[in-house]
Amino acid sequence: DAKTTQPNSMESNEEEPVHLPCNHSTISGTDYIHWYRQLPSQGPEYVIHGLTSNVNNRMASLAIAEDRKSSTLILHRATLRDAAVYYCILRDLNYGGSQGNLIFGKGTKLSVKP
Amino acid sequence: NAGVMQNPRHLVRRRGQEARLRCSPMKGHSHVYWYRQLPEEGLKFMVYLQKENIIDESGMPKERFSAEFPKEGPSILRIQQVVRGDSAAYFCASSKDQLQPQHFGDGTRLSIL
Repeated sequence: DAKTTQPNSMESNEEEPVHLPCNHSTISGTDYIHWYRQLPSQGPEYVIHGLTSNVNNRMASLAIAEDRKSSTLILHRATLRDAAVYYCILRDLNYGGSQGNLIFGKGTKLSVKP
Repeated sequence: NAGVMQNPRHLVRRRGQEARLRCSPMKGHSHVYWYRQLPEEGLKFMVYLQKENIIDESGMPKERFSAEFPKEGPSILRIQQVVRGDSAAYFCASSKDQLQPQHFGDGTRLSIL
């Protein structure tokens, strides 16, 4: 099962930053931290991933704690379109040939208020 | 670039019939994954295929379910003798290799009458 812990839900106001936390206290040295999100009635969408250093892309930023036991997905300016369920997922770099699947937990349901 | 294409988007079957779900991966992707999402739940992995080979089917029920990814054509998830409990959204994802992010289709919503 998923080895991450996320709050069930969060609320944000439109055009304000959002910080979505994820705890992964049992993370191993070869686990990448991935974030996906799922908008209503759609398939999941890749957001960002990282290993040790903070990462930025056009969608979001990923801040990784120094001990790697937690991370935070940052949406710099929330829009109504960002309302979705956000999943924090660990993926082992050393797949050993067969472990390609993603393990989804319950995620965090983000609501964005106008 | 076209994304992952799944069809049909909605499929209705009666108990005992067969359901065939199709998935065309993104261009250049040879790895395909199938997931199932029951109402109000997260996605659960079913099967992972790489062109003509099943790599991991640990999440797929042993009976009535099968998957293939032929050399030519889309990947097919086949459910024989469907039951009410098979009602769910079935998502397909593809990637260039195991280490790359997975790109998902918009799913097939299967309803069993």
